[in-house]
Amino acid sequence: GQSLEQPSEVTAVEGAIVQINCTYQTSGFYGLSWYQQHDGGAPTFLSYNALDGLEETGRFSSFLSRSDSYGYLLLQELQMKDSASYFCAVKNYGQNFVFGPGTRLSVLP
Amino acid sequence: EAGVVQSPRYKIIEKKQPVAFWCNPISGHNTLYWYLQNLGQGPELLIRYENEEAVDDSQLPKDRFSAERLKGVDSTLKIQPAELGDSAVYLCASSLAGGGGNEQFFGPGTRLTVL
Repeated sequence: GQSLEQPSEVTAVEGAIVQINCTYQTSGFYGLSWYQQHDGGAPTFLSYNALDGLEETGRFSSFLSRSDSYGYLLLQELQMKDSASYFCAVKNYGQNFVFGPGTRLSVLP
Repeated sequence: EAGVVQSPRYKIIEKKQPVAFWCNPISGHNTLYWYLQNLGQGPELLIRYENEEAVDDSQLPKDRFSAERLKGVDSTLKIQPAELGDSAVYLCASSLAGGGGNEQFFGPGTRLTVL
């Protein structure tokens, strides 16, 4: 089977750092993506990791450990506009993306 | 450059009625996906096209759902007849073809309510 696990909710204050974890078990693995989705909006691409390690893009960083079937999204200098749902998604051997259940991030003033 | 276009944005129908959703992907994107997203959950793949070929429709409930992408550009997803449990957001996404398509671009979705 295929399954991804993420925390359902995370709360943090403006300016803080938050880490959203994702563990996965899928039929084959090519890479791990992260998407952001505001309420009522479309998912938007944040990052894609195919190799182990940390990749940084501005305030957001994404990490992957293939041996541990684990990744995380790190958001720094949190802003109110970062309040959204965040989804990890695995690209499997079928070239399809399997999405996790999502983590709802609330940023408090 | 225009993004992924979907219509309608909202649709309310009674159960047992048919409904259709339309998607126009980003120009040059050969791969097109249809997803279903229930409230508070992640998108679930229904079907993936490479050009006009449905390369993965294993998750499409074929007794009531159908899809087409006749010219390898825009696509239509149909439900006939709709059931109460079909109420959800239907998302269309596109990407560059095959292994190069690691970034998916999503449309705004069609929110379907079945009464």
